[in-house]
Amino acid sequence: AQSVTQLDSQVPVFEEAPVELRCNYSSSVSVYLFWYVQYPNQGLQLLLKYLSGSTLVKGINGFEAEFNKSQTSFHLRKPSVHISDTAEYFCAVSDPFGTGGSQGNLIFGKGTKLSVKP
Amino acid sequence: DTEVTQTPKHLVMGMTNKKSLKCEQHMGHRAMYWYKQKAKKPPELMFVYSYEKLSINESVPSRFSPECPNSSLLNLHLHALQPEDSALYLCASSQGRGAGTDTQYFGPGTRLTVL
Repeated sequence: AQSVTQLDSQVPVFEEAPVELRCNYSSSVSVYLFWYVQYPNQGLQLLLKYLSGSTLVKGINGFEAEFNKSQTSFHLRKPSVHISDTAEYFCAVSDPFGTGGSQGNLIFGKGTKLSVKP
Repeated sequence: DTEVTQTPKHLVMGMTNKKSLKCEQHMGHRAMYWYKQKAKKPPELMFVYSYEKLSINESVPSRFSPECPNSSLLNLHLHALQPEDSALYLCASSQGRGAGTDTQYFGPGTRLTVL
């Protein structure tokens, strides 16, 4: 069974500092990886996704993530954060070979709360 | 247009009430999802519709009843809920290719409170 581990439940950081949100996955097969952001009282929005090809993926709002197969990681980074980046960030994996109609269903990590302070 | 809309935004209901949540998308997506999200937790998948047919029911109690009247609409009918059912209910849609590469687009959610 697949799983996703987000190693930090909360990450406080000062404005304009760099940030890395960590995500590790567990799977015996190829997977597709996603990062979603959830602003307070809103739904989830896709930041970026890795399907294949280049292991460095660039997303919206200046975020990027690097897929590392040997370390089974997909960490999210931003070189300089803004107050407006304060939100909950979810890493997710989907299984292209799932059974019982579950292909493509997302398995979410527990989330990381990013708090950007002035 | 990459918008998924949900109504109502907020809903307060008693344990004997019957209510419905509505979700709509006009992106031509053929897969639609209901998720339940408790505070400070990730979304939990409840139901998946693929081409208007229920493909996944994640052992959800029968007091939640989904309906997909057409490819653009998804409803969640609620009856005899419990206070522990209070949560944010999120709807999402995707192209429905079933290969795991699709992006799911989420609505803003309905904040449900059961008294």
